[in-house]
Amino acid sequence: NAGVTQTPKFQVLKTGQSMTLQCAQDMNHEYMSWYRQDPGMGLRLIHYSVGAGITDQGEVPNGYNVSRSTTEDFPLRLLSAAPSQTSVYFCASSSGASFGETQYFGPGTRLLVL
Amino acid sequence: KQEVTQIPAALSVPEGENLVLNCSFTDSAIYNLQWFRQDPGKGLTSLLLIQSSQREQTSGRLNASLDKSSGRSTLYIAASQPGDSATYLCAVRGIQGAQKLVFGQGTRLTINP
Repeated sequence: NAGVTQTPKFQVLKTGQSMTLQCAQDMNHEYMSWYRQDPGMGLRLIHYSVGAGITDQGEVPNGYNVSRSTTEDFPLRLLSAAPSQTSVYFCASSSGASFGETQYFGPGTRLLVL
Repeated sequence: KQEVTQIPAALSVPEGENLVLNCSFTDSAIYNLQWFRQDPGKGLTSLLLIQSSQREQTSGRLNASLDKSSGRSTLYIAASQPGDSATYLCAVRGIQGAQKLVFGQGTRLTINP
C-alpha cells in the first residue's frame, strides 16, 4: 500500500492563479479530509468527505473547493490564490465514517503564493 | 470550543533518558486522542490512538495514557534515542465537531547523542 499520496510536493503560485492539490489513498477509506498547517495556528480542517459524493466544510473553508467523485481521490481546488493561502496542506484518511479510527496523513504539499 | 495545549513547546534531553510529553484538552467529551510524530518537512505519522474508554496504549518504547476526566494525556518515551528527535503532536476528536481533529501546537523534541 502506498497509503495517502499527495501531489505536488511544492508549488509556487502568483496571486489570482488557480490550482488543484491532488490527494489519493489506496486503503479503501471512506473518510478523507484536508488540513492546513500554519506556524502558531497548528493544523486546521478545511474540508472533509465521509464518502464518494459527500463533502462538507471544516473550520477554514473559504477560498477552497473540493469534490469526491471516487473513494480514492479527494482533490482540493484553489480558485483564486491569495498570499494568505501560503501554507502546508495535508490530506488525511481513515476507514469508515465513524470517528474512532486512526487518521493517516499524506506527506503534504507546500504552497507559496506570491 | 475544544482547545488542546502541549507543554513544553520544546524539550532537549540526552540519549537514553526516559521522558514524558504532556497534552491537555478543555472538553472531556471526546471520542479519542491520537499522538503523532512529525519530522521536519514531512507529514504526520500516527503513533498511538487511545479511545475515550481506554486508559492507555503501548507500542514498543512508547506508552500513552489518557485521563479524560482531568483532560490530560501523556506520551512516555522510554530509553530515548537520537532517532526520536521530531515534533510530537497530540490531537483530540471531540464528540461535538467530530469531523475534525483538534491539534495542539506540538512539542519539539531533541535527543542529544
